[in-house]
Amino acid sequence: EPEVTQTPSHQVTQMGQEVILRCVPISNHLYFYWYRQILGQKVEFLVSFYNNEISEKSEIFDDQFSVERPDGSNFTLKIRSTKLEDSAMYFCASKPRGEGWPQYFGPGTRLLVL
Amino acid sequence: KNEVEQSPQNLTAQEGEFITINCSYSVGISALHWLQQHPGGGIVSLFMLSSGKKKHGRLIATINIQEKHSSLHITASHPRDSAVYICAVGVYGGATNKLIFGTGTLLAVQP
Repeated sequence: EPEVTQTPSHQVTQMGQEVILRCVPISNHLYFYWYRQILGQKVEFLVSFYNNEISEKSEIFDDQFSVERPDGSNFTLKIRSTKLEDSAMYFCASKPRGEGWPQYFGPGTRLLVL
Repeated sequence: KNEVEQSPQNLTAQEGEFITINCSYSVGISALHWLQQHPGGGIVSLFMLSSGKKKHGRLIATINIQEKHSSLHITASHPRDSAVYICAVGVYGGATNKLIFGTGTLLAVQP
């Protein structure tokens, strides 16, 4: 069964460094999402992407964050200058079409900023 | 005020018990989702519903749109059901429907 994959599974970085989190959505899916979950807290929406552009972004998704779909398969989240508070689990999700379809989640990337 | 409220936050049950987890929301939604998160962190979609009731195996999800309330039931609970159960609502936003999550219910089923 097709699944969303994410790499790396864990990443440790120093404050101020740039990180790129990678996701490979399910082939033929059209809608893509990034969410994050700070340890012990609920999952929060970051950004959605459709038709090669950002569709919606949250207040968390400031100028330090960016997303790209550089080719037909990858979907990346870049954090330009990481802060301690960026430490979280980051989930990528995709869905095939608009309304009436569930989102399929990747296993997550656990990011630790020191 | 949280847009999605779940109760209880923690639930311990004995194997075989009937379990109910409740979810209330305060925003207009396109659909309501029940998700399962295991200790490793991965999130699995259990149900997506916009009306009525759905059943999958021992799991049943219901929604009352007028009351903005949903319930997840687990019949004949088993220790392997132990996980965090999350209610999330899809809300309209541009071309995509982002999910707003509840805080989750940590379920422990003891043998």
